[in-house]
Amino acid sequence: ELKVEQNPLFLSMQEGKNYTIYCNYSTTSDRLYWYRQDPGKSLESLFVLLSNGAVKQEGRLMASLDTKARLSTLHITAAVHDLSATYFCAVDIFVGSNYKLTFGKGTLLTVNP
Amino acid sequence: SAVISQKPSRDICQRGTSLTIQCQVDSQVTMMFWYRQQPGQSLTLIATANQGSEATYESGFVIDKFPISRPNLTFSTLTVSNMSPEDSSIYLCSVERPPFAGAVRYGYTFGSGTRLTVV
Repeated sequence: ELKVEQNPLFLSMQEGKNYTIYCNYSTTSDRLYWYRQDPGKSLESLFVLLSNGAVKQEGRLMASLDTKARLSTLHITAAVHDLSATYFCAVDIFVGSNYKLTFGKGTLLTVNP
Repeated sequence: SAVISQKPSRDICQRGTSLTIQCQVDSQVTMMFWYRQQPGQSLTLIATANQGSEATYESGFVIDKFPISRPNLTFSTLTVSNMSPEDSSIYLCSVERPPFAGAVRYGYTFGSGTRLTVV
């Protein structure tokens, strides 16, 4: 059974600081997603990573994937308050006849002024 | 990405009753997915619904408790049956868009969710 582990689960940081969220998974996969969820809201797609070495960046967020290490990172640069949310990584694997998405537990990010 | 309309957005229900959640997509999709997000937790896949066939349920979820309909390629319903307070969660539907090269974000799109409270 695929296990997806995120750390840290809780992250409190000051504005302007940098930090990285890690996502480890236990089974070979080449499809990994990062999502953001604001309180009481649904999931917003941030990035999809499809190959080893893939790097995607948008604004203050950058995601990367190392399929050999089964590791993805979400790096936050110069954090601002608006980035406060819960961030999920999710790994897609082919099971039977379909892809199946398995989520990490999420990282609750709080950016303090 | 796909636009998904999910309703109701929230409901408060009495234990022992049932609630049907609807999910409408703006274009045809092969598979639709139903997830549960318990308070403060991550998302767990309940079942995958293909049009014209029985839904495929994940371990820990059964059809009698969570019957799913998929009458066409743009619509699905999830019923939470004989509810108890433990069923209080957010329920989300999701669809997948095939990836295309160069895109920053795509893949699975989620509905706005149904926040269910069972009292």
